[in-house]
Amino acid sequence: DAKTTQPTSMDCAEGRAANLPCNHSTISGNEYVYWYRQIHSQGPQYIIHGLKNNETNEMASLIITEDRKSSTLILPHATLRDTAVYYCIVRVAITQGGSEKLVFGKGMKLTVNP
Amino acid sequence: EAQVTQNPRYLITVTGKKLTVTCSQNMNHEYMSWYRQDPGLGLRQIYYSMNVEVTDKGDVPEGYKVSRKEKRNFPLILESPSPNQTSLYFCASSFILAPYNEQFFGPGTRLTVL
Repeated sequence: DAKTTQPTSMDCAEGRAANLPCNHSTISGNEYVYWYRQIHSQGPQYIIHGLKNNETNEMASLIITEDRKSSTLILPHATLRDTAVYYCIVRVAITQGGSEKLVFGKGMKLTVNP
Repeated sequence: EAQVTQNPRYLITVTGKKLTVTCSQNMNHEYMSWYRQDPGLGLRQIYYSMNVEVTDKGDVPEGYKVSRKEKRNFPLILESPSPNQTSLYFCASSFILAPYNEQFFGPGTRLTVL
């Protein structure tokens, strides 16, 4: 199983871009990178996913290095409501049916300061 | 509104008193799963179900039971709760759509077993 490593915590000023790094050096060629976040004991919330190309949606951008060994989640204009634990997850597939189990590590606590 | 609901949201009970935590989703998802979250241990999968009448153990199934008689419901049953099952529980659901699916999480159930 590919694993991810993230910093334990990070601070960001409100209105600035938050760049959240993740290392996944053992990722295999067909595994996706997912990002979820959890705001203060609420249920985790999907943010974005990617395979090789950079991705952008209304919440964030995901930059994946060419060798796919690391990625960066970018929140372009962080707000106080973005304070949360962010999880970088590499897809772990269950053997049949194409479904998947999400393996959540400890994540990274992002604090957005006024 | 597409959502996963859990009930109850908070529960305090005593050792040995059987309880059920309900989970329901309105998105016609095939895949449903239960996680528990404990400080320092992250989210761990308890049981999952890939469709009606199909369930399987996750990483920490001991002391729990589940059933999937209908597509929308996936109750978690604690036949004889013990204090080590005090935790924050999340239900999640998704379509089975390899290689990517977004899991939707419920709001959580905080269980205390005395």
